[in-house]
Amino acid sequence: AQSVTQPDIHITVSEGASLELRCNYSYGATPYLFWYVQSPGQGLQLLLKYFSGDTLVQGIKGFEAEFKRSQSSFNLRKPSVHWSDAAEYFCAVGADDDMRFGAGTRLTVKP
Amino acid sequence: DGGITQSPKYLFRKEGQNVTLSCEQNLNHDAMYWYRQDPGQGLRLIYYSQIVNDFQKGDIAEGYSVSREKKESFPLTVTSAQKNPTAFYLCASTLDGTLKGAFFGQGTRLTVV
Repeated sequence: AQSVTQPDIHITVSEGASLELRCNYSYGATPYLFWYVQSPGQGLQLLLKYFSGDTLVQGIKGFEAEFKRSQSSFNLRKPSVHWSDAAEYFCAVGADDDMRFGAGTRLTVKP
Repeated sequence: DGGITQSPKYLFRKEGQNVTLSCEQNLNHDAMYWYRQDPGQGLRLIYYSQIVNDFQKGDIAEGYSVSREKKESFPLTVTSAQKNPTAFYLCASTLDGTLKGAFFGQGTRLTVV
């Protein structure tokens, strides 16, 4: 069955530190892969997406993610976190009309 | 500017009442979706519509109804049959019926009082 797992419910990092948010998936074929960010009470903003090609994708706000087929993972990274990055992050995987979301990881940024 | 708009942002409903959430897009997208968000569960699909006058149930359609009379609009009605309606609701749209380039609205938080 298709599923998306974000193992970390809540992560706290210091401002300026590096960040990695984990995402693992189970899907019948290589799906499309996404990372979204959601600020409190807001909708979702697309950070980056992977469809094919280079497995390291660059997104907005300095984020990047790497698709590792052998590990069924699509982890999100940022070299240096800013206080404004505090939000909820969702990994999503899908095909043409089927999208599955992870439960989300809440990021807290310490001064 | 093109976009997708949900209204209202906050909505309160008494138990036993139906309530309708609005979703409008001016992106000329054919496909539209409604998701429900609960803490710790991610987003779950309620209904989706690939074309005007047609829609399909998602994973958790019970207690909800939709209509798609116009391309721009995909309202969601939360009926009194929905046992646990308090949640955050997100509407999305895409151009070609795939979710590759989905746009999301800002959401509506529904609270049953």
